[in-house]
Amino acid sequence: SAVISQKPSRDICQRGTSLTIQCQVDSQVTMMFWYRQQPGQSLTLIATANQGSEATYESGFVIDKFPISRPNLTFSTLTVSNMSPEDSSIYLCSVGLPHYFGPGTRLLVL
Amino acid sequence: AQTVTQSQPEMSVQEAETVTLSCTYDTSESNYYLFWYKQPPSRQMILVIRQEAYKQQNATENRFSVNFQKAAKSFSLKISDSQLGDTAMYFCAFMTSGYALNFGKGTSLLVTP
Repeated sequence: SAVISQKPSRDICQRGTSLTIQCQVDSQVTMMFWYRQQPGQSLTLIATANQGSEATYESGFVIDKFPISRPNLTFSTLTVSNMSPEDSSIYLCSVGLPHYFGPGTRLLVL
Repeated sequence: AQTVTQSQPEMSVQEAETVTLSCTYDTSESNYYLFWYKQPPSRQMILVIRQEAYKQQNATENRFSVNFQKAAKSFSLKISDSQLGDTAMYFCAFMTSGYALNFGKGTSLLVTP
């Protein structure tokens, strides 16, 4: 199984600001996925990030709000832009088949 | 669209007992994967067990086993000899053709001494 790390592990941000979350994998993977887990809720897919192509976003998520970079096969970033309190969630990246998940980034927006 | 339903928001079981968590799903696909994930309070998502739809044999991983009923679109998780460390949220998930996961709402399992 892949070893996945995420930075930061948690953050408290002011509304209107942006936060970039990093996901690092210890092996090369083709597909990466970004999920959001709102408080007390299940996980919802934000987008699929393939190296060398534009990320594919799920309904309800747009690139302007959640820009994603995938510069190589071991790394990806998710930016949460122009944050509001509704963006307070845990953000998780995952890779592989089956999916292995990173430890998550807990975001609180005030 | 594939949907995953977990009808038991909360469950409780005594240590050493057996508990079964329910999951049903809806899909028009014939070949797919199903998973159970565990999320302890530490929030790390941990893969518990997976099942390929084309396999008739139910998957087993130590104390964890599934009852996969393809015709009924049912995928329940049985935990035998429950341990305190099994306390967690359990999510049933369906893998789409795009390899992303659709999750159920989860079942909170509490194992008591």
